[in-house]
Amino acid sequence: DTEVTQTPKHLVMGMTNKKSLKCEQHMGHRAMYWYKQKAKKPPELMFVYSYEKLSINESVPSRFSPECPNSSLLNLHLHALQPEDSALYLCASSQDGMGTQYFGPGTRLLVL
Amino acid sequence: RKEVEQDPGPFNVPEGATVAFNCTYSNSASQSFFWYRQDCRKEPKLLMSVYSSGNEDGRFTAQLNRASQYISLLIRDSKLSDSATYLCGSTGGFKTIFGAGTRLFVKA
Repeated sequence: DTEVTQTPKHLVMGMTNKKSLKCEQHMGHRAMYWYKQKAKKPPELMFVYSYEKLSINESVPSRFSPECPNSSLLNLHLHALQPEDSALYLCASSQDGMGTQYFGPGTRLLVL
Repeated sequence: RKEVEQDPGPFNVPEGATVAFNCTYSNSASQSFFWYRQDCRKEPKLLMSVYSSGNEDGRFTAQLNRASQYISLLIRDSKLSDSATYLCGSTGGFKTIFGAGTRLFVKA
């Protein structure tokens, strides 16, 4: 089973709201990722967790706050977002950080 | 210079055609390479990993040239269902950088 699940599928939020995106995998992968993808652009790496520790933060604004409660779960907490943060947010996982990444279906976020 | 560069296309080809995509990368320390396929409003799905020895999966062949720092994807006998965006990716130090994607349209 190479499935990564993400909830919600769609999210509309105002600039003063607080919301969270969730990602789950049961493949025993030890690396998990958050990407942001704008239309007609490639996925851009935001965060990497390896063995439940934050390994990479690609200078992401603090209004995005990742959390890895355990090896299967990855959250992205959102607060005071801007309209330009509207995008597809993709979660991915890989066995060890170097191998194949498997993507979830994404959360399509609209910030009003 | 971008870390991973791809011709964005679009490539418009008839069914049955052979089409080739190239992708160059600048980080010589990159260790793993991949091709993903992404359909409109969907997530990227792994098409194949890329090795120096080359690998083939049905109509798809991928190749890595470390000396010239490029990877390639060859699609033979194109099908309508091959229409999608093809993303190349290179991984080093936990980071995967994707190219901008090459858009392919296969027409009847």
